[in-house]
Amino acid sequence: KQEVTQIPAALSVPEGENLVLNCSFTDSAIYNLQWFRQDPGKGLTSLLLIQSSQREQTSGRLNASLDKSSGRSTLYIAASQPGDSATYLCAVALNSNYQLIWGAGTKLIIKP
Amino acid sequence: DGGITQSPKYLFRKEGQNVTLSCEQNLNHDAMYWYRQDPGQGLRLIYYSQIVNDFQKGDIAEGYSVSREKKESFPLTVTSAQKNPTAFYLCASSMTVYETQYFGPGTRLLVL
Repeated sequence: KQEVTQIPAALSVPEGENLVLNCSFTDSAIYNLQWFRQDPGKGLTSLLLIQSSQREQTSGRLNASLDKSSGRSTLYIAASQPGDSATYLCAVALNSNYQLIWGAGTKLIIKP
Repeated sequence: DGGITQSPKYLFRKEGQNVTLSCEQNLNHDAMYWYRQDPGQGLRLIYYSQIVNDFQKGDIAEGYSVSREKKESFPLTVTSAQKNPTAFYLCASSMTVYETQYFGPGTRLLVL
C-alpha cells in the first residue's frame, strides 16, 4: 500500500533563506507527483506536477524534483518571503487508478 | 469567473441528522472528488466521479453518499451513520482523472 510521508511537520525560517521541503513515498510505481499549497482554512492550490518520466519542474522561485528509485521528492523555495507561509502538501497518483495518496503536509512559517 | 464553489462555509449537524454539502464547478471538468481533511493527516478520498451518472467509493465512503446527475454538480450527503463527521471537507475537479485537480474553498462541518 502506497504511503506518503512529509518531514518535518513544521518549519520556521527567516525571510530570504532558501529552503527545501521533503516528501517520501513507499512505492515507486507512480503516475505523477504533485505539490500543493494550502492557506489556513482554505482550499488547495496546485503548485507543480511532475510526471513519472520527469526529474524536475520549475515555476518561478519553486523547483520540484523527483527521484522514483529512492522514493523521494523535494520542493525547493528560493529567497523565501512571508507570503510563502502556508502548509505544503505532496501527493502521488497511483498507476492503477490515478487516485491521489496524500502526505500530511509541512507547515511553513517565514519570519519577517 | 471559472472555478469551484462549495457551500456552506460552515455547517452544523445535530445528532441523527443527515446534512448535504454542495459542490459546483463551471470548469467543464468531467471528474469530481470529495476529500476529508483531519488535523495532522493527509487528505482522504471519500467518493469520486469520472463522468456524469457514475461514481466510485474512495477509501472512507462509509457513512457518506453522493450523486452526479449534472456535470457541474457533485453534492455530498453526510448521513447519521457517520459517527465522527467533524472535519474539513474539500471538493475538487479535474478535466480527466489523469490531470491536476482544482479545489474549492472547503466546508467545515461541526457537530452540535
